[in-house]
Amino acid sequence: ETGVTQSPTHLIKTRGQQVTLRCSSQSGHNTVSWYQQALGQGPQFIFQYYREEENGRGNFPPRFSGLQFPNYSSELNVNALELDDSALYLCASSFTGLGGYTFGSGTRLTVV
Amino acid sequence: AQTVTQSQPEMSVQEAETVTLSCTYDTSESDYYLFWYKQPPSRQMILVIRQEAYKQQNATENRFSVNFQKAAKSFSLKISDSQLGDAAMYFCAYKNGRDDKIIFGKGTRLHILP
Repeated sequence: ETGVTQSPTHLIKTRGQQVTLRCSSQSGHNTVSWYQQALGQGPQFIFQYYREEENGRGNFPPRFSGLQFPNYSSELNVNALELDDSALYLCASSFTGLGGYTFGSGTRLTVV
Repeated sequence: AQTVTQSQPEMSVQEAETVTLSCTYDTSESDYYLFWYKQPPSRQMILVIRQEAYKQQNATENRFSVNFQKAAKSFSLKISDSQLGDAAMYFCAYKNGRDDKIIFGKGTRLHILP
């Protein structure tokens, strides 16, 4: 049974650029959630994808968007990067209704 | 709004001793779940223990146990026989029964002293 894999592990971008982060969900899981964890803080819910559609969103602007693919993997896209977007981005997969979540090790994004 | 509060930014405990991490939460929901997650330097969130709100019995996982006080909205984690590998950030978290969004506290950094 494979876990959740995120890529890349680290990334440096310039303010105003766009970034795509990737997540492969755990085998058997059909739901993917994305979280932003700023330094010294707990993770904040960005959004969740189920059956390739957004299924819940936190308090993040529209420049944060995502996709889920038929194999349940997912992408997080952030447009017009701002310095405050610097954070650890965590992906978690689950099987809807069972409540078990598996987290990846995250992507550390630095915006300069 | 649902919130999770961890009032201890950092704690230290001697190896082999017992430590308790505090957490309070606020919700008007009756169906919800509470979690403690561990985040070591590897960054991956690891589930330590989970409690369903409808269960009166406190959850236990080996050296880890919780004190779930539903009326007080308190959910503390007790780690017995602390080991060096327990050093990490610990996050208390909440999820209601209607969706899959998890709300995390700000975390408690636990140091284990040899």
